[in-house]
Amino acid sequence: KNEVEQSPQNLTAQEGEFITINCSYSVGISALHWLQQHPGGGIVSLFMLSSGKKKHGRLIATINIQEKHSSLHITASHPRDSAVYICAVNNMDSNYQLIWGAGTKLIIKP
Amino acid sequence: DTAVSQTPKYLVTQMGNDKSIKCEQNLGHDTMYWYKQDSKKFLKIMFSYNNKELIINETVPNRFSPKSPDKAHLNLHINSLELGDSAVYFCASSLRDYTEAFFGQGTRLTVV
Repeated sequence: KNEVEQSPQNLTAQEGEFITINCSYSVGISALHWLQQHPGGGIVSLFMLSSGKKKHGRLIATINIQEKHSSLHITASHPRDSAVYICAVNNMDSNYQLIWGAGTKLIIKP
Repeated sequence: DTAVSQTPKYLVTQMGNDKSIKCEQNLGHDTMYWYKQDSKKFLKIMFSYNNKELIINETVPNRFSPKSPDKAHLNLHINSLELGDSAVYFCASSLRDYTEAFFGQGTRLTVV
C-alpha cells in the first residue's frame, strides 16, 4: 500500500464544474504539498499546508491532520486547469523526505 | 523571468557518455533538489543541498554527482550513462528545508 494515496486517478469534467481531488496519507508529516504538472512536463508548486486551509484564486486546499487527509478544490473549472495534480508529503519519520502520490489526471472539457 | 531554470530541456546521448544538467534559481532560496521522474511518473528525490552542503543523498549510483558552486546553482553530472538513466530530471528549490518547493521545467534525458 502506498503511503500517499490520491483519488481519483483520472477525472474528466465539463467547464464550470466544481472539482475535488483527494489525498490520504499514512505517515506522520510536517507538511503536505499540492503540485500541478502540465502536459509539457513542467511542475508548479500550488500549495504547502501544515494545517487548515489555503486559497489562491480558484484553487482551495484543505488539510485535516487528525484524519490524515487533504483535498484540492477547483471552482469554476476551465480547460486550462487540465493537468496532473500531485500530492506530496514531508515524512517526519524519514528525515522529512518527500513522498509522492501517483497523481490525478484532470481533463476539463469546454 | 524564470525562477528555477534547467538546461538543457532535452538531452539525447549515447550509452557510456558523460553529461551534465545545469540548474539555477534566482529566488534566493537556501535549499535545492534534484528529482528523477520515472516511467510511472513517480518523482523520487536524488539529492538535496542546503547552502551548498549535501543534506540528502538517496541511494543513487555513484555515477551521479551533484555539484553546487554556490547556493543559486546545483548541477547534476552523470558519468558512463546507461539506458536505465533515461528519465525526466527535475531541479527544485525552496526557501529552507521542507518548505514550498519551486520546480524547473525538467530535462528529458534519453540514452540510446
